[in-house]
Amino acid sequence: EIVMTQSPATLSVSPGERATLSCRASQSVSHNLAWYQQKPGQAPRLLIYGASTRATGIPARFSGSGSGTEFTLTISSLQSEDFAVYYCQQYDNWPLAFGQGTKVEIK
Amino acid sequence: QLQVQESGPGLVKPSETLSLTCTVSGGSLNSNSFYWAWIRQSPGRGLEWIGTIHYSGSTYDNPSLKSRATISIDTSKNQLSLNLTSVTAADTAVYFCANQWLVRGWFDPWGQGTLVTVSS
Repeated sequence: EIVMTQSPATLSVSPGERATLSCRASQSVSHNLAWYQQKPGQAPRLLIYGASTRATGIPARFSGSGSGTEFTLTISSLQSEDFAVYYCQQYDNWPLAFGQGTKVEIK
Repeated sequence: QLQVQESGPGLVKPSETLSLTCTVSGGSLNSNSFYWAWIRQSPGRGLEWIGTIHYSGSTYDNPSLKSRATISIDTSKNQLSLNLTSVTAADTAVYFCANQWLVRGWFDPWGQGTLVTVSS
């Protein structure tokens, strides 16, 4: 079973600044990684799949990178609507698995 | 645009069976991808994949649930269902239905989720 570990648990960032979120897999998942954004009371929303491909309608300020076991989600200039919890998910192997999340809060 | 909506009882007694339905609108079960998944979220377990079903009826489930989960599909009603047997308080969670891309893939779109509490 692949374990996904996200860091940090909480990231305090000022609006307009860059946010960098990390996700590590316990074994290689190649490029089979997705990122989601979740706001309170809502379902997760797909941001990135294939480690770096933005989903339809996702702003260009969101970018994903990495392969193997180390992945990064970067938000280039945080907008007010970007403060939320972000999850990574591997789909390289069964069982499909999520990280525990990184909360991006206003500094 | 494809939309999914979960429904079912919000309260289930311990040792009983949790039963949920997911209704797909704005398309059919063979729209986008042919795979559909159930996922749950709780404060203690975070986001947990429960299982996946293909339009044809083939299923894949999470071994952590020890075969308690059964997912089925009704193409005539554009619905899929989840049955989870022998529930305990640890099964209290928000349950989501989602379209899954590829046999092992990402989830998009998701339903809004439904809270199920296990309590006597």
